[in-house]
Amino acid sequence: EAQVTQNPRYLITVTGKKLTVTCSQNMNHEYMSWYRQDPGLGLRQIYYSMNVEVTDKGDVPEGYKVSRKEKRNFPLILESPSPNQTSLYFCASSLQVLGNEQFFGPGTRLTVL
Amino acid sequence: GQQLNQSPQSMFIQEGEDVSMNCTSSSIFNTWLWYKQDPGEGPVLLIALYKAGELTSNGRLTAQFGITRKDSFLNISASIPSDVGIYFCAGPGSGNTGKLIFGQGTTLQVKP
Repeated sequence: EAQVTQNPRYLITVTGKKLTVTCSQNMNHEYMSWYRQDPGLGLRQIYYSMNVEVTDKGDVPEGYKVSRKEKRNFPLILESPSPNQTSLYFCASSLQVLGNEQFFGPGTRLTVL
Repeated sequence: GQQLNQSPQSMFIQEGEDVSMNCTSSSIFNTWLWYKQDPGEGPVLLIALYKAGELTSNGRLTAQFGITRKDSFLNISASIPSDVGIYFCAGPGSGNTGKLIFGQGTTLQVKP
């Protein structure tokens, strides 16, 4: 089944404890992206990647890192999480770099205490 | 900046009724996308529109790309309880980042 998977789905952590949220897609998509969804603010792009080893900042990149060592994987790294990073995170992918039809993962609900 | 305005914000309807929602923008979009998000899940792509005036159906869902390129409509016919969720319109953001700009969403509740 064609899909975008994320792990973990739920995570509660404490300030400063490094964490990684994994994202994987099995559709051979070129483009991958991370969004966060917050009440009243909607979905905002954190980072994106147009190809392997090509990543760039989105609208709200502060406090996050990403890597794209393989086409299928695009992990989101929080080196030192803070409470303002408590949010619902979505990974998305699309076949073409600017194909626009993005397919979303199921989401990761992160709480930073 | 770019913004998509969706209306209505929420709807509470009876099962079997038809539903209509729309999305407008102050700037032109070359693509309109409609997503549905269930609680605790990721947005699921329902319909993609690429041409002004285009009318596309997906089962009981029909969406149209407005002629002015500044609006789009989504209609759901004969609603059923599983239509409950939040419906978002989306379009490509400015700059070549591939990001999507989303509307605020229309929350749909269906009474059996």
